[in-house]
Amino acid sequence: EAGVAQSPRYKIIEKRQSVAFWCNPISGHATLYWYQQILGQGPKLLIQFQNNGVVDDSQLPKDRFSAERLKGVDSTLKIQPAKLEDSAVYLCASSSQPIGGNTIYFGEGSWLTVV
Amino acid sequence: KQEVTQIPAALSVPEGENLVLNCSFTDSAIYNLQWFRQDPGKGLTSLLLIQSSQREQTSGRLNASLDKSSGRSTLYIAASQPGDSATYLCAVRPQTGANNLFFGTGTRLTVIP
Repeated sequence: EAGVAQSPRYKIIEKRQSVAFWCNPISGHATLYWYQQILGQGPKLLIQFQNNGVVDDSQLPKDRFSAERLKGVDSTLKIQPAKLEDSAVYLCASSSQPIGGNTIYFGEGSWLTVV
Repeated sequence: KQEVTQIPAALSVPEGENLVLNCSFTDSAIYNLQWFRQDPGKGLTSLLLIQSSQREQTSGRLNASLDKSSGRSTLYIAASQPGDSATYLCAVRPQTGANNLFFGTGTRLTVIP
């Protein structure tokens, strides 16, 4: 079974530029998450989708971050304009159900450095 | 708001030792608790998931316990090996509200050959 796929793996951009990350969840998983992990910290949820609808985006800095999951499968996370403090790993994850005892599976992350 | 703490932040042990990693959480109203492993430059790999009604889960040399009333979980690693070197993260899923995971900051484990 293929895991959660993310691209690009690494990206270096200058502040005020824009960047987009792509995620393809495990086949059949209705729930998709984007987490931000700053070096030395645990991951923090940015946004959660159930199919193509947003369940929780309370922690998403909406003035610069946006995310979509148009067809309920893959998803894109965009940052525009980027700030230095956005340097982090952006982890995509998926699960078969939003609640319950289902394990959440993570991708390998997209590493962003803003200079 | 749920807060998750992991102690110690870093741990070095010689190969073969048994060790315990600790995780505490402030709100006992959780649905489950999950332990993850993170290797440098990699994503998170799920190790064990404990439902709120369970006391422990075992997988190979790993044993995780949960005491929901006191807000604590431990991850026990038996006969540690250099390949166990990684960062271990615990995460809780609350019973109500947000249907996602709240993570601790992790324990970075180094097993010395």
